Formats: sequence, structure tokens, C-alpha cells
Amino acid sequence: EVQLVESGGGLEQPGGSLRLSCAASGFTFSSYAMTWVRQAPGKGLEWLSAISTNGGDTFYADSVKGRFTISRDNSKNTLYLQLNGLRAEDTAIYYCAKKTPGALKPFDYWGQGTLVTVSS
Amino acid sequence: QSALTQPRSVSGSPGQSVTISCTGTSSDVGGYNSLSWYQQHPGKAPQLLIYGVTERPSGVPDRFSGSKSGNTASLTISGLQAEDEADYYCCSYAGGSTWVFGGGTKLTVL
Repeated sequence: EVQLVESGGGLEQPGGSLRLSCAASGFTFSSYAMTWVRQAPGKGLEWLSAISTNGGDTFYADSVKGRFTISRDNSKNTLYLQLNGLRAEDTAIYYCAKKTPGALKPFDYWGQGTLVTVSS
Repeated sequence: QSALTQPRSVSGSPGQSVTISCTGTSSDVGGYNSLSWYQQHPGKAPQLLIYGVTERPSGVPDRFSGSKSGNTASLTISGLQAEDEADYYCCSYAGGSTWVFGGGTKLTVL
């Protein structure tokens, strides 16, 4: 059974940093591209970032480019998202998701999310 | 990377059909057959409902169907059931290995 478990969220002050983790199990993690999506309270989904199977290629939404960094450790079956320069508008639930192989294929499994709150 | 446009809400009675639209541009919805739909119940993670415009993952009832014409995609739910009450999001590939979601539509089953 595919499982994705996010952690690392919490309360952080504006300008601060957090590192989110997504522990994967139930599939060959190193064979799948992964992605991060967030959802602000009461709002819709926003795609943030994606990473290739070996971590060599990374992609970002304009809204987080230069502040957030996606990475992965295939030996630990874990995906990461480093959040720097946090702003109030970064307050959201952050989901990791597994991508179906293929350039135009969807995100087929999602974690339950971790809540990031940015406030002084 | 502007969000795709969806109606804020739709509603229908049990047994009826409803359609949710998702409008983008030729750079996303119209440019690729990548359109997917996700269902999200309150407090839960999104779940894949439709992919590749019309394809259903195993386990998704055939009451859910997708289509696309030009820059607008649609999700139709027939034979509405109480458990279909949820938020629905469309999502499209937008080039350069980036993706864009719609703003979401709240479905109310009357």
C-alpha cells in the first residue's frame, strides 16, 4: 500500500525557515517523480514544485522560486521541501504527492499534509 | 501561472447530473491532454478522480466522466449521491514541467 507521510510543519515567524519531509513507503520511491502542493486555509490547491526520480531536475512555481527548495534522498525514501524567507501567505497545509510516470500523467497518491503557520 | 477558472459552487439533487467546468488557455488546458480532476472531502487529502481528460483510475465509479473542448474541460457526475458532496479541483500541465490547478468547486448535494 502506497503511503506518504508529511512532517516538519509548525508555527514559524515571518522570515524564518522550515524543512518539510515526506516519508514514502509501499512503492519503489526512486522510480517516481514527486511533487509538493499546498492549500491555504479555506482556499484551493496550489502546485509548488516537482523533482525528477534522481533529483537532478527540479521545477518551481513562480510564487516560490528562489525561496523554496525541493530535494530527495532515495536511500531514505524521503522527499523534502526547504522553506526559506517565510511569509504570512505561506500559511497552508503542504501535501506531497507521487507522480504517475509520464510527462503528462497526474499525481496519483497524496499524503495527509502538514500544516505550516507563519505568524509573529 | 494563473489558476484555471472553475465555478465557485454547483449543486444538484440525488440522482441528477451536474457538470463542473474548468477554463484555461492554449498554454495549459488547450495545449495538452493532461487534464486531471481531484475530489477532496473536508479535512482530507485530494484524491485522483480523472486523468488524461477522460480516463478513470481503477476504483472510480463510471458515474464520473471527463471531457474537453478547446481551452475548457468539464467533469460530469451523473446519478449524484450524497457522498459526492465535496470540493473538486481540475489540474493541467502548463509546460516546462509545471502544473496549474483550478480554484476549486464546491459541490452540494441537495
